[in-house]
Amino acid sequence: DSGVTQTPKHLITATGQRVTLRCSPRSGDLSVYWYQQSLDQGLQFLIQYYNGEERAKGNILERFSAQQFPDLHSELNLSSLELGDSALYFCASSAGLGLEKLFFGSGTQLSVL
Amino acid sequence: AQTVTQSQPEMSVQEAETVTLSCTYDTSESDYYLFWYKQPPSRQMILVIRQEAYKQQNATENRFSVNFQKAAKSFSLKISDSQLGDAAMYFCAYRSPVRAAGNKLTFGGGTRVLVKP
Repeated sequence: DSGVTQTPKHLITATGQRVTLRCSPRSGDLSVYWYQQSLDQGLQFLIQYYNGEERAKGNILERFSAQQFPDLHSELNLSSLELGDSALYFCASSAGLGLEKLFFGSGTQLSVL
Repeated sequence: AQTVTQSQPEMSVQEAETVTLSCTYDTSESDYYLFWYKQPPSRQMILVIRQEAYKQQNATENRFSVNFQKAAKSFSLKISDSQLGDAAMYFCAYRSPVRAAGNKLTFGGGTRVLVKP
């Protein structure tokens, strides 16, 4: 168990809908990262938050947004969903801003039908 | 931008034998970090081994070792005495040394390892 909790584990929805994925980082970790794993694109970095502030952006679509709350949990919001958004979404956390070890959650499997 | 390439989509190994997974990367940075992650059917991403580019000595973790060839930009993973529990997808990953890059990882496409009993 990595200590990173993601909910829900599975999510099935329809095109055009909006969903929210939730992540609770390891106790004490200030950085949260979101990654997407899809058949087409492989594993891609989406976005990073540190202590409530956005720190780095990767290949995140404009239809996607994220935030980190004062209690350090993070949410990834996906809107106007398309079939191609079906993927495994990982959250990971690390202690700080630097090069500490990264701990991954077990992911949320999103299926857009 | 950095890129990571894993040219072997799938590798098969007999239990107790050795298998080597290939990874090449492209970067203009002189210092960086390389990783191998394992993703079993449970989907959990598990860190297998880590290598700092400034270290000449190849990293080892029990039955897992790497062959890091900086000039060739090659980072292969050797799994010795393969066990059934080693069956998984293995991902090679690159991380910039720039502190601002944090833990933004660039992953390869993965290699599926099958272990035959």
